[in-house]
Amino acid sequence: AQSVTQLGSHVSVSEGALVLLRCNYSSSVPPYLFWYVQYPNQGLQLLLKYTSAATLVKGINGFEAEFKKSETSFHLTKPSAHMSDAAEYFCAVRGVQAGTALIFGKGTTLSVSS
Amino acid sequence: DADVTQTPRNRITKTGKRIMLECSQTKGHDRMYWYRQDPGLGLRLIYYSFDVKDINKGEISDGYSVSRQAQAKFSLSLESAIPNQTALYFCATSGGRGTDTQYFGPGTRLTVL
Repeated sequence: AQSVTQLGSHVSVSEGALVLLRCNYSSSVPPYLFWYVQYPNQGLQLLLKYTSAATLVKGINGFEAEFKKSETSFHLTKPSAHMSDAAEYFCAVRGVQAGTALIFGKGTTLSVSS
Repeated sequence: DADVTQTPRNRITKTGKRIMLECSQTKGHDRMYWYRQDPGLGLRLIYYSFDVKDINKGEISDGYSVSRQAQAKFSLSLESAIPNQTALYFCATSGGRGTDTQYFGPGTRLTVL
C-alpha cells in the first residue's frame, strides 16, 4: 500500500530564506510522486512531479524536489522564499489500488513573513 | 475558460437534504475523480471513474453516490446530507498513464447545518 507523510503541518520562513517542505513516502512499487500547491480559495495546481526519469525535478515558480530512494523522501525546496509562495502544499503518490488516483499527505501550510 | 469546472462553488444545506455537486471537464480525459478535503487531513478519494461505464468506490464512499453522465461530466450526490459531510470537495481528471498529471477543479465548499 502507498502512503505519504508530510513532516510539519506549518512552516514559517522569512522572505528570501530557504524553503524546505518535507515529504516521505511508502510504496510497494516504484513511485510516481507529485507536489501540488493550493492558494487560498483555489483548487490544486501541480508544482512538479517525479516519474522515474531524473531524480532532481524542477517545477514552476522556482521550486524543485529531489527523489531519494534510500531515504524514501521527496522534499520540496526553493532557494529564496517570496511572499507569493504563502499557500498550502501537498505531497502525493500515485496509488495502485485505486487506478491512477492520488494518495495525499495531510498538507503543509507555508507562511512567509517580510 | 477553465478546463475543469465545478458547480456550485458554495452551498449551504440542511441535514437530511439531497444535494448534487457537478463537475465538467474539457480536457478530453477518460478518468475522473472526486476528492474531499478536510483541514489537517489532506484530500481523500471518494469515487473514481475510468470511463462512463466504469465507476469505483474510493477510500470514503459511504454516504455518497456518483453518476458519470458523459465522458466530460461526473456528478457527486449526497443522498441525505449530514453535518460531518461539511468539507471542500474537488473534482479532478487525468489521462490513463500513471505519470499523467491530475487536473483539479476550483472546488465546492459544502456546509451541512
